[in-house]
Amino acid sequence: EAGVTQFPSHSVIEKGQTVTLRCDPISGHDNLYWYRRVMGKEIKFLLHFVKESKQDESGMPNNRFLAERTGGTYSTLKVQPAELEDSGVYFCASSQGVAGTGDEQYFGPGTRLTVT
Amino acid sequence: GQNIDQPTEMTATEGAIVQINCTYQTSGFNGLFWYQQHAGEAPTFLSYNVLDGLEEKGRFSSFLSRSKGYSYLLLKELQMKDSASYLCAVILRWRAGNMLTFGGGTRLMVKP
Repeated sequence: EAGVTQFPSHSVIEKGQTVTLRCDPISGHDNLYWYRRVMGKEIKFLLHFVKESKQDESGMPNNRFLAERTGGTYSTLKVQPAELEDSGVYFCASSQGVAGTGDEQYFGPGTRLTVT
Repeated sequence: GQNIDQPTEMTATEGAIVQINCTYQTSGFNGLFWYQQHAGEAPTFLSYNVLDGLEEKGRFSSFLSRSKGYSYLLLKELQMKDSASYLCAVILRWRAGNMLTFGGGTRLMVKP
């Protein structure tokens, strides 16, 4: 069974440009999470989908970030326009159910975004 | 605010035992995870504790004390491949959806 995949693995863009990150969760996982790690900091939660619905987007930094999960399968995270402080590694994770206890999240390898 | 602390770096010798500590001060608690992350790779699940006590899984064990806001990950019979970052993450009870709140991670270097 394939794990969580993310595309691209690396992206280098200029300030002001647009970038779209993609995450394919494990098949059958209703829950999809986006996290981000900026240089020298801890991994931080961005948002959570249950199927196609946004359950919690309290971690999104600002309205330059837009996440979608049409059809409840893969998800995209668009940054428009990108700023220097958006550089970091963007992780996607998926899990089977919000059981409340021990619902393991499976992480993708991340997309390293560099804004110059 | 939420505070999860773990040492930044640790060094240990192949074959030895190492304990990585994690302390947390959070608004609510609904479980603690440990993940392992090799450089450039996805974090992978190691353990989950929600009740006090020790959970053992092969060479790895994880302990939790909720009253003390404390957990540790114990790695026995260290191997070179155990060199990685170890991430402590908490689920906060007051937030639905099981999103993880992470500490900064501990980079473990295993030397021959």
